[in-house]
Amino acid sequence: DTGVSQDPRHKITKRGQNVTFRCDPISEHNRLYWYRQTLGQGPEFLTYFQNEAQLEKSRLLSDRFSAERPKGSFSTLEIQRTEQGDSAMYLCASSSSAVYSGNTIYFGEGSWLTVV
Amino acid sequence: AQTVTQSQPEMSVQEAETVTLSCTYDTSESDYYLFWYKQPPSRQMILVIRQEAYKQQNATENRFSVNFQKAAKSFSLKISDSQLGDAAMYFCAYDQGGSEKLVFGKGTKLTVNP
Repeated sequence: DTGVSQDPRHKITKRGQNVTFRCDPISEHNRLYWYRQTLGQGPEFLTYFQNEAQLEKSRLLSDRFSAERPKGSFSTLEIQRTEQGDSAMYLCASSSSAVYSGNTIYFGEGSWLTVV
Repeated sequence: AQTVTQSQPEMSVQEAETVTLSCTYDTSESDYYLFWYKQPPSRQMILVIRQEAYKQQNATENRFSVNFQKAAKSFSLKISDSQLGDAAMYFCAYDQGGSEKLVFGKGTKLTVNP
């Protein structure tokens, strides 16, 4: 297992188009998170899954954003009708609730989105 | 809402020297975790060190140690014997026990000079 993987790593899209990012967590991890990071800022929490259930969504996640984790394994984050303000790096992370580890969260390398 | 403040946008250190990165946070909770993450350019964010708030002893991981001052709500990271590979953005993060989400500071860019 090589850790959290994200695809694509980079995406350039025209304003108004839809984009989808995929995240494959560490295989034994049942928790999966999406964060957004803009230049010069720390990551901001977007949403969180435990298994297939989406348990929390940030107010940052507008109705143009939807995240799924249909079988409790990989997750997708879709952005509809992209806007220039959506340009950011979208980070996926995972953790396990089975082993008490102080909620250590492991991050992927991120998916860079540029909206032109 | 909890906030995390990193007051040093950039820091630099000579190779083999010691550097301390500052972090303060604001919370009314007593049960929480604090983290330092390292993000090298174009690479994934990795955990450097973790501190549980209920532990009085400061966490240490090899050349990395923290100075956790709970009353002052301060959580600084000390890097000893700095190496070129330590150059990165360093983020301080807070996790309220059971909240399942991290609150990050804006980061400190560390440069290591040979």
